Amino acid sequence: GAVVSQHPSRVICKSGTSVKIECRSLDFQATTMFWYRQFPKQSLMLMATSNEGSKATYEQGVEKDKFLINHASLTLSTLTVTSAHPEDSSFYICSATPISTNEKLFFGSGTQLSVL
Amino acid sequence: GEDVEQSLFLSVREGDSSVINCTYTDSSSTYLYWYKQEPGAGLQLLTYIFSNMDMKQDQRLTVLLNKKDKHLSLRIADTQTGDSAIYFCAESIGYSSASKIIFGSGTRLSIRP
Repeated sequence: GAVVSQHPSRVICKSGTSVKIECRSLDFQATTMFWYRQFPKQSLMLMATSNEGSKATYEQGVEKDKFLINHASLTLSTLTVTSAHPEDSSFYICSATPISTNEKLFFGSGTQLSVL
Repeated sequence: GEDVEQSLFLSVREGDSSVINCTYTDSSSTYLYWYKQEPGAGLQLLTYIFSNMDMKQDQRLTVLLNKKDKHLSLRIADTQTGDSAIYFCAESIGYSSASKIIFGSGTRLSIRP
């Protein structure tokens, strides 16, 4: 089946540094990828929709200058958390839908970000 | 607005059936999904149903959709300890691969011996 690879799976960083998370579709192309954030014991919250070759669409309340998204190819989207603070600590998950189908959404395994 | 609701916890005895319920508000949803999340892991798609269907069965999983009441359920037959996880209901709004997916809060399923 379709596979979405997310890297790194876990990252610990100091406050004020930037962290980049990669989301890669391994065996399919996706014009659109999604970035979610999950706080402990809560549901996934959609942060932004990443569109290949154009600007990402951010959900209300998500700072676009804080969470930089780049979708440079049909198989790769990156999320950069800039100047990270402890309140940015969370579980970040990406997902993608193959161009060939409008049905299934495949998820990466997530990235646990801890900001000290 | 778009909202998906689920109860937070469910406890069942091993071997019994589990039924996880979900309600949603947006009548324009196209696909409805059930995802499973094990601790520290990403989401795994369990099954999905198109909004013009009312039932879908896949091995131990049965999905029932009542579109009039905007109610979705997931039944897991013969529940096993490996089924312990958080189960998320989600709805897709729109027909393209860029459609938004709205998630419920998740139901934590625990299995009693």
